[in-house]
Amino acid sequence: NAGVTQTPKFQVLKTGQSMTLQCAQDMNHNSMYWYRQDPGMGLRLIYYSASEGTTDKGEVPNGYNVSRLNKREFSLRLESAAPSQTSVYFCASARKQGTGGSGNQPQHFGDGTRLSIL
Amino acid sequence: AQSVAQPEDQVNVAEGNPLTVKCTYSVSGNPYLFWYVQYPNRGLQFLLKYITGDNLVKGSYGFEAEFNKSQTSFHLKKPSALVSDSALYFCAVIPLINYGGSQGNLIFGKGTKLSVKP
Repeated sequence: NAGVTQTPKFQVLKTGQSMTLQCAQDMNHNSMYWYRQDPGMGLRLIYYSASEGTTDKGEVPNGYNVSRLNKREFSLRLESAAPSQTSVYFCASARKQGTGGSGNQPQHFGDGTRLSIL
Repeated sequence: AQSVAQPEDQVNVAEGNPLTVKCTYSVSGNPYLFWYVQYPNRGLQFLLKYITGDNLVKGSYGFEAEFNKSQTSFHLKKPSALVSDSALYFCAVIPLINYGGSQGNLIFGKGTKLSVKP
C-alpha cells in the first residue's frame, strides 16, 4: 500500500531558486493538504484542496502556490525560495471532509520532503 | 484565537509504567479531537479520535484518550509503556464551527516527545 507518496525526499536550494514538491495519493481521497513542520511549532497548514479543482489558503500561504492536478496529485511550488522556507513539508489526504458529518476523517500523511534553502 | 496546547515538551517514562501525554484546547464550539504519532523521519500516523459519545476512546497500539469537556482536555494514555512507543506525539483538533467551511482543517499542538527507557 503506497498511501501518500512525496517526491523528492530531500532537496537543497539556493535563495531565489524555484521548485515544485510533488504529492500523490492512491486512496481515492477527495481532500489533500500541504503542511510545514518546524521545530517546536507543530504542523502548520499552507494550502489545502477540499476536492479536485479547488484550492484554498491555510495558515501560512505566503511564498507558496499549489496545483490540484487531478484527484490523485497535489503539488506545492516555491517560486522564489527564501531561507525562512527551510522546513520539512508534509502532504496529507483524507476522505471527503465538510458537511454531513464527514469532517471527522483522519488524515493520512506522506513521509515528508526535507528542504534546505541556503 | 483557536489553539491546542501540549504543556510538556518531553515526557520520560520507564518501560512497563503507565504514561500520560497531556493536551488542552481552546476552540469555538465542540471540536473533533485527534492524536497522531510521528516516528523519526516519517510522516504522522493516526492513533485515535473523539467525535462524540463515550469520553474514553481507544485507538491503535493500546493507546486511549479521555475527553473532558469541562477541562477542555484530551489526554493520551497507555497502561503500560513500551520502548517502541518512544516518538513524537501530536494532539490536533478540528473546530466544529468551521469544519464545513474549512474542510476539516486540523489545528495541531506543538508536539510532545515521549521517551520510554528500558
